[in-house]
Amino acid sequence: AQSVTQPDIHITVSEGASLELRCNYSYGATPYLFWYVQSPGQGLQLLLKYFSGDTLVQGIKGFEAEFKRSQSSFNLRKPSVHWSDAAEYFCAVGSHNAGNMLTFGGGTRLMVKP
Amino acid sequence: EPEVTQTPSHQVTQMGQEVILRCVPISNHLYFYWYRQILGQKVEFLVSFYNNEISEKSEIFDDQFSVERPDGSNFTLKIRSTKLEDSAMYFCASSEAGTETQYFGPGTRLLVL
Repeated sequence: AQSVTQPDIHITVSEGASLELRCNYSYGATPYLFWYVQSPGQGLQLLLKYFSGDTLVQGIKGFEAEFKRSQSSFNLRKPSVHWSDAAEYFCAVGSHNAGNMLTFGGGTRLMVKP
Repeated sequence: EPEVTQTPSHQVTQMGQEVILRCVPISNHLYFYWYRQILGQKVEFLVSFYNNEISEKSEIFDDQFSVERPDGSNFTLKIRSTKLEDSAMYFCASSEAGTETQYFGPGTRLLVL
């Protein structure tokens, strides 16, 4: 069964500092991987996705993530955090068949200090 | 940019009552999903729907739940007899045929008293 672990429940960074949110997955084949962001009271917005090819993927809002098969990881990064990035971030793994479920990690709540 | 919409944004109901949560997926999408997020917990898959039938469901999706596409635009989740533990945020999502990117709506927050 597929699973996702986000080891950090809360992270606080200063505005302008770099950010890395960790995600580890378990899946029997090459996974489809996603990062979603949820602002308070809002739905889930897709930040970026990895299906195949280049293991470094670029997303919206200046985010990027790197797929590392050897480490079963898909960590999210941003070189300089803005106060508006404060939100909850979810990593998810999907199967290869359209119509199949996404399995989400528990989320990481990011707080940004001024 | 096209988006998934959900109504209502909030619903309060009494235990044992039936509720219907409504979703309008992105117009050219063919796969539809419901997820839920109990407060403080993970987002959990409930069901996926394609070609007017359920294609996959989780163990959460028991007989008290049902889904329907009553017309060409709406996708609904019905909970027949709500329980306290059904209180959660319910998210609808949709995806195009042949791709796995699911786009989520803003959610319906359901509170069962």
